[in-house]
Amino acid sequence: AQTVTQSQPEMSVQEAETVTLSCTYDTSESDYYLFWYKQPPSRQMILVIRQEAYKQQNATENRFSVNFQKAAKSFSLKISDSQLGDAAMYFCAYWLYNQGGKLIFGQGTELSVKP
Amino acid sequence: GAVVSQHPSRVICKSGTSVKIECRSLDFQATTMFWYRQFPKQSLMLMATSNEGSKATYEQGVEKDKFLINHASLTLSTLTVTSAHPEDSSFYICSASLGLAHYEQYFGPGTRLTVT
Repeated sequence: AQTVTQSQPEMSVQEAETVTLSCTYDTSESDYYLFWYKQPPSRQMILVIRQEAYKQQNATENRFSVNFQKAAKSFSLKISDSQLGDAAMYFCAYWLYNQGGKLIFGQGTELSVKP
Repeated sequence: GAVVSQHPSRVICKSGTSVKIECRSLDFQATTMFWYRQFPKQSLMLMATSNEGSKATYEQGVEKDKFLINHASLTLSTLTVTSAHPEDSSFYICSASLGLAHYEQYFGPGTRLTVT
């Protein structure tokens, strides 16, 4: 069964600095999608970034980028120039075509940003 | 972008009563909808997957008679918590997608249920 692991329950970063959130996953498949979602205090889930496993190039969205290491089954999220509004729970998630459309979520990492 | 709404955003009900939560896709046809439950500081736990016009598929351990899911149209799915008890108090989130083969899920804002 596919699993997603986020080993950092909490992380903290100083405003304007860079932080990296870790995520590993377990799968025997070769074609899948990986996501990072942000859940701020409002609890609305927001898609931060998406990575297709067949693409070697790491996805980037403005200040957010990923380090996708397919062989190592690692998918970390780097947030550059951290802002107070980045404070939230971050969830890593995995999607595979033949698993009934389900997203498999990690446990989450709570990120705090210090002014 | 695709918008999903949930109603109500908050609900308080008495133990033993039933409560219905609606999930609507506002600008697209959602063939598939998902219902999640989330406890504070924890991850989303998938409860069930519903496809329009079909019976919902429940995850292991989820009581289908307690959590009734209906997906009668391409824009509306409902979750009814029957005979609610305090332990059913939680945050319920729905998401919608164009279908099982589509990786993008669009999330609703969630519903906080409190059972007294």
